Parts: sequence; C-alpha cells; structure tokens
Amino acid sequence: QSALTQPPSASGSPGQSVTISCTGTSSDVGGYNYVSWYQQHPGKAPQLMIYEVTQRPSGVPDRFSGSKSGNTASLTVSGLQAEDEADYYCSSYAGSYLWVFGGGTKLTVL
Amino acid sequence: QVQLVESGGGVVQPGRSLTVSCAASGFTFSTFGMQWVRQVPGKGLQWVAFISYDGRDKNYADSVKGRFTISRDNSKNTLKLQMNSLRAEDTAVYYCAKPYSYGLDYWGQGTLVTVSS
Repeated sequence: QSALTQPPSASGSPGQSVTISCTGTSSDVGGYNYVSWYQQHPGKAPQLMIYEVTQRPSGVPDRFSGSKSGNTASLTVSGLQAEDEADYYCSSYAGSYLWVFGGGTKLTVL
Repeated sequence: QVQLVESGGGVVQPGRSLTVSCAASGFTFSTFGMQWVRQVPGKGLQWVAFISYDGRDKNYADSVKGRFTISRDNSKNTLKLQMNSLRAEDTAVYYCAKPYSYGLDYWGQGTLVTVSS
C-alpha cells in the first residue's frame, strides 16, 4: 500500500488553469476508474471535488475537472480563483476494500 | 442533513488502547459502508479502515492491521475504531467519512488522538 505520488506544490495566477497529477500503479489508479480528488482548506475537513475520475458532485463548480491516462490521474482547475487556494489530495480504490491517498499538493493562487 | 460527529480522542500512552466513535445522522446509516481516514497535523491524509454496510466485510491499512478494529452498531447509527498497541506514529486527527460511489462525500470534524508518554 504505497501512497500515490503528487507534486508537493502547484501555482497559478487568477484566471489561469493549473493541473495537478497523481501517479499510482496498475493496482490502483490504472486498475480502476475510481479516482477521487479532495480539497482541504486549513483547519477544515476535506471536501470531495471529483469522483470516478471525471464526475463532479452536486455543487462543485465546473471549473474543476478530472482525467486519467494509464496509471496517472489529473485534476485541472480552470479560471483560478483566490478561494481555490488549498491542499488537494487524490485517492484511488485499490481493490479488496482498500483505498490509498496521495501525499497532497498545496495549490497557491499567485 | 448528513452529520458525522467523532468523539473519544485524547492523550494516551504508547502501548495503551483507545476507542474513537462516530455518531451518524441524516442518512440511512445501515445501508452505507463507512471508512476512517487519519491526518497527522500538518501532513497528508491516510486511509485507515473500511467496514461494509452490514459489518461483514472489513479491511485495514497495513500500518494498523492487527492493532485496530473497525466496528459498527446499525441500531445506534454508530461507527467505532478500537485502537490497540498505540504508537507515537498513530498520533493524528481521525475522521469518519461516508462514501459516495468510491469517494467520500461527508466527513466529520475529526477527533485528535495523541500518543505520548
């Protein structure tokens, strides 16, 4: 059960787009279309932003989108806004009722 | 509305045991598998454990397997995590979370467990 690999930081200016990657293996990210992304502001519980690789829960702006290619999933935030500054975590189902998280990416809006 | 309220955190000595609980409301608890996720303060999220809707299926992260036990009482809408042989590295905020497909759409506020002598 190794953690998924995310870049520790990402940044962009307001209005720009930024993409955060999440690399796993064929046993997790590559093996299932069950990648989720979470946003976490300081002192708050995580919030689900994307599930099943590309799906947005109700209430999540369509500026947030997800994709996957092979063992790497990605979260793209378009039209960056100040409130998007937060930590972002990916997670993947790994079979047999196991899940794994990424190490997290701190997104800074410049 | 969905609410998950954790309790039972505190300071415990290494090697001792502690049980944290999660009171669920606002949804049909007995029809959802549930999970525990933890977060060392200032660090990332770590998945801890899963229990199926009826309690028959469970699984754990390797780091806690054999020491932690997840359980549920559907008559009381309560989820528990019994933690034995606690180590300093188990110090974290423990969240219970409700699934949405294979993601987690509702999280509690978390309960802090500190393992220290």
